[in-house]
Amino acid sequence: EAGVAQSPRYKIIEKRQSVAFWCNPISGHATLYWYQQILGQGPKLLIQFQNNGVVDDSQLPKDRFSAERLKGVDSTLKIQPAKLEDSAVYLCASSLESGAYEQYFGPGTRLTVT
Amino acid sequence: DQQVKQNSPSLSVQEGRISILNCDYTNSMFDYFLWYKKYPAEGPTFLISISSIKDKNEDGRFTVFLNKSAKHLSLHIVPSQPGDSAVYFCAASYSGTYKYIFGTGTRLKVLA
Repeated sequence: EAGVAQSPRYKIIEKRQSVAFWCNPISGHATLYWYQQILGQGPKLLIQFQNNGVVDDSQLPKDRFSAERLKGVDSTLKIQPAKLEDSAVYLCASSLESGAYEQYFGPGTRLTVT
Repeated sequence: DQQVKQNSPSLSVQEGRISILNCDYTNSMFDYFLWYKKYPAEGPTFLISISSIKDKNEDGRFTVFLNKSAKHLSLHIVPSQPGDSAVYFCAASYSGTYKYIFGTGTRLKVLA
């Protein structure tokens, strides 16, 4: 079974530029999550999708971050404009359904904002 | 407000001995707890979990203990192996949301 795929793996941008991350969850997984992990901290949930609907985006900085999940499969997370404090690893995870506790994580995208 | 805390940022253990990783939480509404392991440049991988209706769950070399009255859980690894060297995160979840709140992680180093 293929795991959660993410791209790119690494990205370096200057502040005020925009950036987009892509995630392809495990086939058949209805729930998709985006997390931000700042160095030295645990992952923090940014947004949770159930199929293509948003379940929870309470911690998403909506003035600069946006996310979508078209057709309930792939998802993109965008930052526009980026700030220095957005430097982090962005993790995508998926689970079989919203009632399933176990989440499967992708390898993450390491973003550096200079 | 850190609802899930891992107060030991790092731990070193000799191969073959027991590793004990600790996690404290503040919110009594949490009813499911998980441990994830993370190697460098990889995403976290699920290790073991426990429901709040239990106080112990075992899977091979890994055992998780839950003390609800103390709001404390621990992960025991016996015997520890060099391949267990990784960062371990505990996470807590609310019933009905399945949203994880992660701790800050403990870096375990198992010395050969």
